[in-house]
Amino acid sequence: KNEVEQSPQNLTAQEGEFITINCSYSVGISALHWLQQHPGGGIVSLFMLSSGKKKHGRLIATINIQEKHSSLHITASHPRDSAVYICAVRLPDKLIFGTGTRLQVFP
Amino acid sequence: DGGITQSPKYLFRKEGQNVTLSCEQNLNHDAMYWYRQDPGQGLRLIYYSQIVNDFQKGDIAEGYSVSREKKESFPLTVTSAQKNPTAFYLCASSENIYTEAFFGQGTRLTVV
Repeated sequence: KNEVEQSPQNLTAQEGEFITINCSYSVGISALHWLQQHPGGGIVSLFMLSSGKKKHGRLIATINIQEKHSSLHITASHPRDSAVYICAVRLPDKLIFGTGTRLQVFP
Repeated sequence: DGGITQSPKYLFRKEGQNVTLSCEQNLNHDAMYWYRQDPGQGLRLIYYSQIVNDFQKGDIAEGYSVSREKKESFPLTVTSAQKNPTAFYLCASSENIYTEAFFGQGTRLTVV
């Protein structure tokens, strides 16, 4: 079993829909990252959080340390949000990555 | 602009040849990392460096080598000993190993 599990693996949505991507992990962590990977391959860090909730524009990330679970929400989704979203958990000396959720938003 | 530069974006090599992937950062970060990405798998750590002239093996270091002679540079050599070198390679850096990592645009290596 992978230490970091994301769901769903693939997600399609119509423009304007509310999107939720989930990440569950089985190890003790100091922080969790949400990353965005565009088709060209480059990765952008969206959030790093260790408790509670963070918001940036239309993106919201939450984490529940007791339940070992995090969610990434996108409000009012747009075709430019189409990308792979990756969850990564921080251990003392490394990051462990999920396999990603591929999101496609259609106009 | 501050950031991480990987070059080249695409690289083709013949089987049996060593190849070196470049990673440069101007963020003044101490820590640098190399990851490999394969379809359907999460990124896996190849090597990391916490400081100049020091580096450690990650989870899949076999067939790879690195150097860290300068703070801003962390080149990765894919040797002929690497059994399946075709993959997407990502370099990252962070202030230290406990802080947020910033990623480059990646290099797609194809060995034929």
